[in-house]
Amino acid sequence: RKEVEQDPGPFNVPEGATVAFNCTYSNSASQSFFWYRQDCRKEPKLLMSVYSSGNEDGRFTAQLNRASQYISLLIRDSKLSDSATYLCVVKGGEAGSYQLTFGKGTKLSVIP
Amino acid sequence: NAGVTQTPKFQVLKTGQSMTLQCAQDMNHNSMYWYRQDPGMGLRLIYYSASEGTTDKGEVPNGYNVSRLNKREFSLRLESAAPSQTSVYFCASIPSGGYNEQFFGPGTRLTVL
Repeated sequence: RKEVEQDPGPFNVPEGATVAFNCTYSNSASQSFFWYRQDCRKEPKLLMSVYSSGNEDGRFTAQLNRASQYISLLIRDSKLSDSATYLCVVKGGEAGSYQLTFGKGTKLSVIP
Repeated sequence: NAGVTQTPKFQVLKTGQSMTLQCAQDMNHNSMYWYRQDPGMGLRLIYYSASEGTTDKGEVPNGYNVSRLNKREFSLRLESAAPSQTSVYFCASIPSGGYNEQFFGPGTRLTVL
């Protein structure tokens, strides 16, 4: 089983739609969780950390379920500028406390 | 603050040639990382340096060497480039601790012919 798994998509959604991405991780000892955004031919950038109690940043909501080893990202009122690849990232666990393990990413295209 | 810088941005090599990818950060971060990103494979860790003076292998270290020259700089060397090393290489850094953002450089696009 791969350490971090994501649905690769692509997700093609109209502007204004709500879209959800899911991610599962294999090691229950994983310590920290993040969502990164990567635009085409650019470096990944942190979108948000994911906390055990769940957290929200504007139109973005992240949830963590440690029991199910599951992370989610919800985007409300999608904008054209949200089009990107979203990477689920897990720190610690099998890879060690200094290493981050990246999912392969979920591609989102927001259509006018 | 320039953040994380990488040189060169683009490079074309012939099989068997050697080169060093340079990375520097000005954020006083302890840990630095080298990744490669290939289509359909996601980001894979090549080597990392948890702190100045230490380096460790990641998921795909074969064919690479690294040097943590000082706290700011972490270089990646290809001694004898192979076509399988054609990829986009990202350097990143992170301060020690729990919920810390990993900052990435802009990447080096390497083609090995």
